[in-house]
Formats: sequence, C-alpha cells, structure tokens
Amino acid sequence: SAVISQKPSRDICQRGTSLTIQCQVDSQVTMMFWYRQQPGQSLTLIATANQGSEATYESGFVIDKFPISRPNLTFSTLTVSNMSPEDSSIYLCSVPDRNTEAFFGQGTRLTVV
Amino acid sequence: KQEVTQIPAALSVPEGENLVLNCSFTDSAIYNLQWFRQDPGKGLTSLLLIQSSQREQTSGRLNASLDKSSGRSTLYIAASQPGDSATYLCAVKHGSWGKLQFGAGTQVVVTP
Repeated sequence: SAVISQKPSRDICQRGTSLTIQCQVDSQVTMMFWYRQQPGQSLTLIATANQGSEATYESGFVIDKFPISRPNLTFSTLTVSNMSPEDSSIYLCSVPDRNTEAFFGQGTRLTVV
Repeated sequence: KQEVTQIPAALSVPEGENLVLNCSFTDSAIYNLQWFRQDPGKGLTSLLLIQSSQREQTSGRLNASLDKSSGRSTLYIAASQPGDSATYLCAVKHGSWGKLQFGAGTQVVVTP
C-alpha cells in the first residue's frame, strides 16, 4: 500500500488569499488525484495530475482556481486561489497502487473566513 | 451517468450487534468497488477492495459482497465495537485508471 503525506493538515485562511497543499507519496506513481469534500458531502474529484503533462480537470473545476503542479512521480501540489468561504472543505489527494486500490492522504481541512 | 447510493444515511447500534451497510450503483460496468472508513475531519482509510470478477472480500470482522448484475454491494461488520463509529463510504471505478465515484456515506454510531 502507498503511504501518503499531506500538508498542511488544517488551515484557517482569509478570503482572497491562496493556499497551496502538498502531497508526498512514498513510491513513484503515474497518476495522482485531488478530491474535495464539502461539509456534510461526499468526495468530488477536482482533477487528475499526471507527471509531465497538464492536469485534467473535472466539470466545474478550472485551472485558474485550482492550479496543480506535478514536478515528479512522488509529489504534487494543489493551490486553492482567491479563496472564498465556499471553498471551506477537506481537500484530499489519492493514488492507486498496482492493484488499482486507492489510497488517500489524511486530508487538509481548510476554513476560509 | 453512474450514480452511487448508500442506505441508510445513518445507523446507531448497541455494541456487539452486527452492522449491515448497503451500496447500490446504476451502471454495472464497473472495474472495482472499494469500501472506506472516514473519521470526522480526517482522510479515508481503505477497508476492502472488490474487483469486478470477485463476489466477496473478507478482512477480520469485515466482509464485503458484490453483485454486479443487480448493482449492489454490502459491507458486513461483525460484533460491532465503539471504535467502529465512523462514516463508511463506498466508491466504484470504471476502468483501471478511472476516477472513483463515491456514495454519500453511512454514518455509524456504536454505543457502549
């Protein structure tokens, strides 16, 4: 199984600012996924990040709002830009192992005030 | 479009009772189905993965079944304990590199 370290674990941010979330995996993976979980809701995929190419965004999510970097096979960042209270959520990164079992980081709990 | 539904939305049982959590999906052409546990404000812990060719998977007190033709999976937790209190999520995947599509979850409370 993959071990995923996500930072920060939580943050309280002012509206209009940006926060960058880091995801570090203990093994090389081709694909990394970023999800959002709004309060009381289930998980929604934001984008798929492949190393060496642009991230692929799901409907309703745009690169200007959620820029993603994927500099190598073990690391990715998600930035939440120009934040508003509606961005208050848990953000999670996920990777599949060779059996396609999905593993998740511990999540970043973001509160925008 | 795939829809994943979990019933019930919430469940409270006394310690020692068996738990039965249901997950249904509308598109049976899935690659696999995975059950997760989520503690409040935390990330997801993988419990069981069932490949589309499998009928069930077991791990300790947990057993998950899969009936693709009827679009259903059931998670059984035997002899529940207060530490089993959490939200349980099921998710389906289409294709080996496909995204996960999640149900809304079942919130479980096991009372001592």
